[in-house]
Amino acid sequence: GAGVSQSPSNKVTEKGKDVELRCDPISGHTALYWYRQSLGQGLEFLIYFQGNSAPDKSGLPSDRFSAERTGGSVSTLTIQRTQQEDSAVYLCASSLGHVGNTEAFFGQGTRLTVV
Amino acid sequence: AQSVSQHNHHVILSEAASLELGCNYSYGGTVNLFWYVQYPGQHLQLLLKYFSGDPLVKGIKGFEAEFIKSKFSFNLRKPSVQWSDTAEYFCAVDNTGKLIFGQGTTLQVKP
Repeated sequence: GAGVSQSPSNKVTEKGKDVELRCDPISGHTALYWYRQSLGQGLEFLIYFQGNSAPDKSGLPSDRFSAERTGGSVSTLTIQRTQQEDSAVYLCASSLGHVGNTEAFFGQGTRLTVV
Repeated sequence: AQSVSQHNHHVILSEAASLELGCNYSYGGTVNLFWYVQYPGQHLQLLLKYFSGDPLVKGIKGFEAEFIKSKFSFNLRKPSVQWSDTAEYFCAVDNTGKLIFGQGTTLQVKP
């Protein structure tokens, strides 16, 4: 597609349930990023993929969070046993991924509400 | 660890006022620098970027930013703001392919 696509756009889930968030990057973009945007918290880095590997997982808040990327394209962010503090907008971005041209393009985000 | 600081969290200006938003980063090596904007209800989009060359970069909608290596700064400026500039502004730094963002600055422009 023309831009980064995220689904679902909104997700309401009960505390304790697992959720999967999907990101479809721009075709040809090797780098893919996940961020979390909470009110007053800015953009919190979660994880970064270069191809299918994740050189940096340092931002994942706990072991309930995991992400994978297959085929160098679609990525899934999984949150297990969701907690209310997981409520936020989860943003995905992609870029060409090489030094000197790392402009990132963002999706619209998935708004997650844990009730 | 690499970090980005935006000193102004909430700025309120009247139309036609000049704008400067501060951004400082912690990494001393070669960096790529960005300013992103998020208009109400919209996704993040790029305002301008610096990779190399002229440290004064111009972006969309009359924005510009100056990279001052000695000060580890990349401040955003606009000579005369408009009501439509009301948005949240994020500075970001990358040196290894990983983009780190500042906390963001909310700009409110009063008509």
